[in-house]
Amino acid sequence: SQKIEQNSEALNIQEGKTATLTCNYTNYSPAYLQWYRQDPGRGPVFLLLIRENEKEKRKERLKVTFDTTLKQSLFHITASQPADSATYLCALVGYGGSQGNLIFGKGTKLSVKP
Amino acid sequence: KAGVTQTPRYLIKTRGQQVTLSCSPISGHRSVSWYQQTPGQGLQFLFEYFSETQRNKGNFPGRFSGRQFSNSRSEMNVSTLELGDSALYLCASSLLRDRALQETQYFGPGTRLLVL
Repeated sequence: SQKIEQNSEALNIQEGKTATLTCNYTNYSPAYLQWYRQDPGRGPVFLLLIRENEKEKRKERLKVTFDTTLKQSLFHITASQPADSATYLCALVGYGGSQGNLIFGKGTKLSVKP
Repeated sequence: KAGVTQTPRYLIKTRGQQVTLSCSPISGHRSVSWYQQTPGQGLQFLFEYFSETQRNKGNFPGRFSGRQFSNSRSEMNVSTLELGDSALYLCASSLLRDRALQETQYFGPGTRLLVL
């Protein structure tokens, strides 16, 4: 069955360091992959999207890579700040349209210590 | 532009009761999706509506149902509540229904349901 895993439930890093979060998937051929941020008591907020034919995408301090051979996406936050502390979710979207193809990982809770 | 709104924000029910949750999408958005989020299972897709039609449904029992109105507002209903239905129920809206066009989903704050 289709499976998407975010390897760490929690990640603790020091302010200023680069946070790297991992998203792996099996039995799936995604058309593209999205990363969301979720704060306690709030809904997820879209951050970045990367297509299957793209290797890397950047947005300010955020960088996402997508390796369809390894079936893996890495999400990097450079120069991390305490305000980056949140849960980060990856989500895969397959071919064929419709929201039903959106599958989420369980998330990684990032804590950035000052 | 106002974001996605969900009502109520918090709800306590007892087993066997039924509940109706409401979602108002961003103005102009015609696609509304519902998700259930629990610590154990994460975010799971319930169903999606577009122009008052259910376009897709996740792997949930028939106790979970929904509908969409002509103004794109959506409701979801859970009948015969079970303890395991305790969760955060999230609604998300997007402009188009075709995921292949890669439009962004905008999530509401969710409704926290506790079943006792």
